[in-house]
Amino acid sequence: KQEVTQIPAALSVPEGENLVLNCSFTDSAIYNLQWFRQDPGKGLTSLLLIQSSQREQTSGRLNASLDKSSGRSTLYIAASQPGDSATYLCAVSSDYYGGSQGNLIFGKGTKLSVKP
Amino acid sequence: KAGVTQTPRYLIKTRGQQVTLSCSPISGHRSVSWYQQTPGQGLQFLFEYFSETQRNKGNFPGRFSGRQFSNSRSEMNVSTLELGDSALYLCASSFTSTGELFFGEGSRLTVL
Repeated sequence: KQEVTQIPAALSVPEGENLVLNCSFTDSAIYNLQWFRQDPGKGLTSLLLIQSSQREQTSGRLNASLDKSSGRSTLYIAASQPGDSATYLCAVSSDYYGGSQGNLIFGKGTKLSVKP
Repeated sequence: KAGVTQTPRYLIKTRGQQVTLSCSPISGHRSVSWYQQTPGQGLQFLFEYFSETQRNKGNFPGRFSGRQFSNSRSEMNVSTLELGDSALYLCASSFTSTGELFFGEGSRLTVL
């Protein structure tokens, strides 16, 4: 059974700092990994999608890496800003259910607070 | 381009009642998935529909059901509501079965 873990559960940093959020998963048989952002009381916003054949994806100040063999992904945020404060969720798409991509297994998230 | 739209955004029900939630995917998206989010369990997969067919179902009791219409809009229904069904219900759509998921704002259900 696929399990996704995110460490740390919460993180507080001063504005301008570069930071790394970690995600680990127990089964390397994944189709893709997706990072999301969730603001309080809101839905999820997709940040980056990494296919299983890729090693990393970049979007603006965000860079996500994937190491399937070790079951790890990291989300790197450069020059953090107070507007980055949110919960960041990692999710993997597994093939346990016939390759259906809609079934994502989520971690519990890392709550990030960026102080001005 | 409009995003994923969920209605209603908030609702309050009492135990034993039933509820229907609606989701309109992004135009052109044929895959719709539903998730339940609670503080204790986090995000859990409910089911996925593609071209009106349920392709996948999570580990939830039969009180939770769904369907998808020919225009890709989807509904989920929860019958005989329990206090533990209080949660944020999120709908997501994607263009292909291997594509990026886009989520709606969710429907927050409170069961009293």
